[in-house]
Order: sequence, then C-alpha cells, then structure tokens
Amino acid sequence: QKEVEQNSGPLSVPEGAIASLNCTYSDRGSQSFFWYRQYSGKSPELIMSIYSNGDKEDGRFTAQLNKASQYVSLLIRDSQPSDSATYLCAVNKENAGNMLTFGGGTRLMVKP
Amino acid sequence: DTEVTQTPKHLVMGMTNKKSLKCEQHMGHRAMYWYKQKAKKPPELMFVYSYEKLSINESVPSRFSPECPNSSLLNLHLHALQPEDSALYLCASSPLTSGLYIQYFGAGTRLSVL
Repeated sequence: QKEVEQNSGPLSVPEGAIASLNCTYSDRGSQSFFWYRQYSGKSPELIMSIYSNGDKEDGRFTAQLNKASQYVSLLIRDSQPSDSATYLCAVNKENAGNMLTFGGGTRLMVKP
Repeated sequence: DTEVTQTPKHLVMGMTNKKSLKCEQHMGHRAMYWYKQKAKKPPELMFVYSYEKLSINESVPSRFSPECPNSSLLNLHLHALQPEDSALYLCASSPLTSGLYIQYFGAGTRLSVL
C-alpha cells in the first residue's frame, strides 16, 4: 500500500460542476495535510492546508479531513477550464519532522 | 509574500559540464529543500537543510552537491550529470513552525542533460 494514494485520473468534469478529488493515507498519526495544484510544466502551488477534522473553505475550494477514515478530499465548486491541472495531495507523517509525503497526483480536466 | 526564487529557469548542459542551480527566499524560513520531478510523477525529495545544516540526504548520487551558504540561499552544484538527470528541479522552503510544515515551491529549473 502506498503511503499517500490518489486516483491518477484523468477526472473529467463539465464547466460549472463540482470536482471532487480524494486522497487516502496510511500513517494514522499524520497531522498536516496539503493540496497543491500543478499546471503542466510548472511548479506546485499550495492551494489548501488542513490540520483538524472537518471542512475548511477558501473561495471555491473546500478541503475535507477525516482522520478516523484516513482520507482528505478537495472539492472545487463551479469548476473552470483554468482549474485543469494535476492536484497533489501531501501529508506530514507523524515523526517525519518537516518532510512531506506526496501522492501521485490526480489530473483534472474541466471541459467547457 | 511567499516567494521562492530559482535561477536559472532553464539550463542545458553537457555531461562533462559543471553548473549550479540557485534558490533564494527572504521569508525567514529556516528549512529549504531540493526536489527532482520527472514528467507525470510527484516531486521526489533530494535534500533538506534545517537551520543551514544538511538534515536529509535521500541517497542522492554525489554528482549532485548541495550547499546552504546562509539562511536565505540554497545552491545545487551539478557535475558529470547523466541524460537521465534531465528533469524539473524544484526548491522549496518552510517556516518550520511546529505543527504546520507548509512548504512553498519556487518556479523550478528545467534541466536538460545532453
């Protein structure tokens, strides 16, 4: 089992729909969770961080964390073609200090 | 301001060349990282500096040599690289605030080894 797992996609959604991206992790002691967006050929850009169970909203983005089930998700409301990118889930595992473990990424395609 | 600046943006080098990548941040972050990323793969950690000391070396070949001259600057010295080393090299920094561990990435250096 990979430490951080994501469906590689592509996940295809129509413009204006809600895109739902999921990530599961294996280390139950993980404390910090991040979503990065990466456009093709560009560097990862931090879009959300979440540290406690529940939802965290920022504009069109909502991160959801469920530590009991060991998953974290990202919802993108009113998806736009400009949201088309690869979304990387990153986790700070217990006792990992300041290192992050990345999932393989999910490619999102938003079709006009 | 969460800017991490990397230079150069693109680099083409032969297998016998020596070159350096540079990374700079002025956010007062005390951890800096080098990652290597191949196409359609997640970033792969190479080195971590914490408080200007090398704390993590992920079994990287010696043809990659990191250097942290001060708390704002990180270099990656390259020598006798192989074509398979062609990749996007990313620098990141983190404030090391307990419990947060956010990392901010620079724009990267696209390296091609001929």
